[in-house]
Amino acid sequence: VLTQSPGTLSLSPGERATLSCRASQSITSNYLAWYQQKPGQAPRLLIYGASSRATDVPDRFSGSWSGTDFTLTISRVEPEDFAVFYCQQYDNSPSITFGQGTRLEIK
Amino acid sequence: EVQLVESGGGLVQPGGSLRLSCAASGFTFSSYWMSWVRQAPGKGLEWVANIKQDESEKYYVASVKGRFTISRDNAKNSLYLQMNSLRAEDTAVYYCARDNWNYGMLDYWGQGTLVTVSS
Repeated sequence: VLTQSPGTLSLSPGERATLSCRASQSITSNYLAWYQQKPGQAPRLLIYGASSRATDVPDRFSGSWSGTDFTLTISRVEPEDFAVFYCQQYDNSPSITFGQGTRLEIK
Repeated sequence: EVQLVESGGGLVQPGGSLRLSCAASGFTFSSYWMSWVRQAPGKGLEWVANIKQDESEKYYVASVKGRFTISRDNAKNSLYLQMNSLRAEDTAVYYCARDNWNYGMLDYWGQGTLVTVSS
């Protein structure tokens, strides 16, 4: 199980965003990804392997981890960043679990 | 450019069936696992199923086992999801995604097709 917090994060453009994803048991960091989803759009891959940025993802997005705690950080939130963010893991088999999501909204 | 285009969604009565398709282009389809992911209205993402390149392995979320079947046709660069015994709780947008699980990611997604189960 992946538990994301907070459920909603209210920030102003230019502020730093820190989103958390906690795994209920140890997972291989290689198998943790983050996605961004805007209204009416498909999810977009941001981070894979816990800390590697996907193609064309701005460097203000970064991923890190410590044990079973994974973090997505946006160094300075831009207006286009407001969306819902999901973490995702692979279980031992290649089946997949998503966190429940964190909504980043404009304060 | 990688493209995934879903089709086949629509309105179906409870207990009915529907077959979704996903047409892939811009990459060597036969070299990748593929997944279906769904999203109920106003809810989060839920992985549904995935399939290995040669169909030798298939995995499903518990709630659809025995009702849904994932398949693929590598000659047609197409992925399918046969959905039987549909329930109201299967109502969702269904996305196909390239499943790059060796790198732990779903790296490309289609735009989705809406399935509504209602009488």
